[in-house]
Amino acid sequence: QSVLTQPPSVSGAPGQRVTISCTGSSSNIGAGYDVHWYQQLPGTAPKLLIYGNSNRPSGVPDRFSGSKSGTSASLAITGLQAEDEADYYCQSYDSSLSRRVFGGGTKLTVL
Amino acid sequence: EVQLVESGGGLVQPGGSLRLSCAASGFTFSSYEMNWVRQAPGKGLEWVSYISSSGSTIYYADSVKGRFTISRDNAKNSLYLQMNSLRAEDTAVYYCARDSCSGGSCYLPYYYYYMDVWGKGTTVTVSS
Repeated sequence: QSVLTQPPSVSGAPGQRVTISCTGSSSNIGAGYDVHWYQQLPGTAPKLLIYGNSNRPSGVPDRFSGSKSGTSASLAITGLQAEDEADYYCQSYDSSLSRRVFGGGTKLTVL
Repeated sequence: EVQLVESGGGLVQPGGSLRLSCAASGFTFSSYEMNWVRQAPGKGLEWVSYISSSGSTIYYADSVKGRFTISRDNAKNSLYLQMNSLRAEDTAVYYCARDSCSGGSCYLPYYYYYMDVWGKGTTVTVSS
């Protein structure tokens, strides 16, 4: 069981908007630690998608956005495209465990 | 081009040892903290270990503490993971990942940093 909880799967049609939630607790997200998001395309290594809760690295389309509130964070993807089909992971730090933690991952299917 | 290339994976028997390497290029390796992250077959990502830029600060996940040793050679632009007493549950793809920060977060502890460059991974299989 992951410390950060993500839905196992989400889906949407091309052009639609989807959100992926990442629910933590008072020892991680709620304690103020930053949340980062990674995209893992099938058969490839993870890639940084969002850092510091809501910042996009250069090269990441502005269709991807991140937010954080309380003990949760969210990744939103607008204008869904077939190439967005991937696994998405949130990551933060947990002060009780004294280590970085990942969410269990969410598989995005573009219908 | 900024690049990380892992090597050293393979098939090993339970209780055996393996040493992973990660060769860095395209950036000043000695200025960056580094990590190992693993992914068991069909599973999610698990942070394994962290090492500071100088090598003076090291952290491990509880699951590998006492069995794995992270190290680096800044002169060779290389990161290592010595894995001893391997178990079946250590079977995974092992990625090396560079830590980075921006703006104010660079004045905060390492756990505010994010992993901005990843290698393609090397596969470790522990089986008899």
